[in-house]
Amino acid sequence: DGGITQSPKYLFRKEGQNVTLSCEQNLNHDAMYWYRQDPGQGLRLIYYSQIVNDFQKGDIAEGYSVSREKKESFPLTVTSAQKNPTAFYLCASSPQDGEGAFFGQGTRLTVV
Amino acid sequence: AQKVTQAQTEISVVEKEDVTLDCVYETRDTTYYLFWYKQPPSGELVFLIRRNSFDEQNEISGRYSWNFQKSTSSFNFTITASQVVDSAVYFCALSEEGTGGYNKLIFGAGTRLAVHP
Repeated sequence: DGGITQSPKYLFRKEGQNVTLSCEQNLNHDAMYWYRQDPGQGLRLIYYSQIVNDFQKGDIAEGYSVSREKKESFPLTVTSAQKNPTAFYLCASSPQDGEGAFFGQGTRLTVV
Repeated sequence: AQKVTQAQTEISVVEKEDVTLDCVYETRDTTYYLFWYKQPPSGELVFLIRRNSFDEQNEISGRYSWNFQKSTSSFNFTITASQVVDSAVYFCALSEEGTGGYNKLIFGAGTRLAVHP
């Protein structure tokens, strides 16, 4: 089935550790995105990428890093520099600029 | 600056009632897209509709309908004869041109809809 796969669904991290969230899509979409959602709030854009080996910072990129070595994959690393990393992270992809986005099921990250 | 406002934080209705979710947006772009997404308790966002700025025709899809009014910068969403399965958080979003010409989606804060039996 075509879609976007995020893993893991739940992730626990100790303070001071880096952690990488996986996002894979087999929709052949050019654009991929990472959003963060905090309880009772909307989605805020962390990073986005329109083509392989290129990505742009979103509104809240500090403390995060990404790579886009393959069209299908857009992993997000939450570094120890991110002061409040506990949140729900959503990955998305879209076929073209402005075409809307299709989302994965999300990863819930908790810092313990 | 572009932004999306969903003034209704939570709405509670009884099954079979009609309900309208409001969305007001701001943008300097002449060409843009508007979207509605549904987020059920599972967390995944489900795409419902996309509308471009040149198409002001209202759209109906089953029990769902959308009213786009450019004059008031609104893109409201109505559910007719609501059902318990409609309970979710609904997000309105606007596409915005980001750095380097790339578009990105700007989301409203969402409206939590609770439909009771």
